[in-house]
Amino acid sequence: AQSVTQLDSHVSVSEGTPVLLRCNYSSSYSPSLFWYVQHPNKGLQLLLKYTSAATLVKGINGFEAEFKKSETSFHLTKPSAHMSDAAEYFCVVELGGGADGLTFGKGTHLIIQP
Amino acid sequence: DTAVSQTPKYLVTQMGNDKSIKCEQNLGHDTMYWYKQDSKKFLKIMFSYNNKELIINETVPNRFSPKSPDKAHLNLHINSLELGDSAVYFCASSQRAGGADTQYFGPGTRLTVL
Repeated sequence: AQSVTQLDSHVSVSEGTPVLLRCNYSSSYSPSLFWYVQHPNKGLQLLLKYTSAATLVKGINGFEAEFKKSETSFHLTKPSAHMSDAAEYFCVVELGGGADGLTFGKGTHLIIQP
Repeated sequence: DTAVSQTPKYLVTQMGNDKSIKCEQNLGHDTMYWYKQDSKKFLKIMFSYNNKELIINETVPNRFSPKSPDKAHLNLHINSLELGDSAVYFCASSQRAGGADTQYFGPGTRLTVL
């Protein structure tokens, strides 16, 4: 079985300060891991993905995430938050080789204070 | 050009009705998916489908049925709509089933059952 846990349902930061969105996963196999972002009333957009290559993954809009197998974590970070980053962020895991789709975390709502 | 499109964007209907949501992808992908996002923004896979097999999440009622007239389309038909079916439904596609292939999401269809 696979699952993904986003540790914070809401995160609030000031504009210009660092962002940390936490994600832990459990999987019996080597997972593929993703972060998706959903802006209000919009669809889902891929930020970045980890597929067993480099453990530090760089994505769009200045986001990056580090895969730590020993901690079963895949936290999302950004050095400096921008107002346009306010959105819902989903950590996602997928086992390789099947057609089972993605397993989503429950999401973290990122609030950016001016 | 929109990669994955869904129609309609909004759907309001009465309990007991039958409705369909259409999905089209112009990416040449082999696999398509339907996800349901509930009022708490939790996303869950409903179906994954390629030209060889349909995989159904066992929790999906049999009132829901995917129909694929060709590789570029995967429509979602819902019979006897219930209040609990109210949600946002997302279509997605990927080049292949499973693994590290990125899934591209449509903009979503907000279904409201009265």
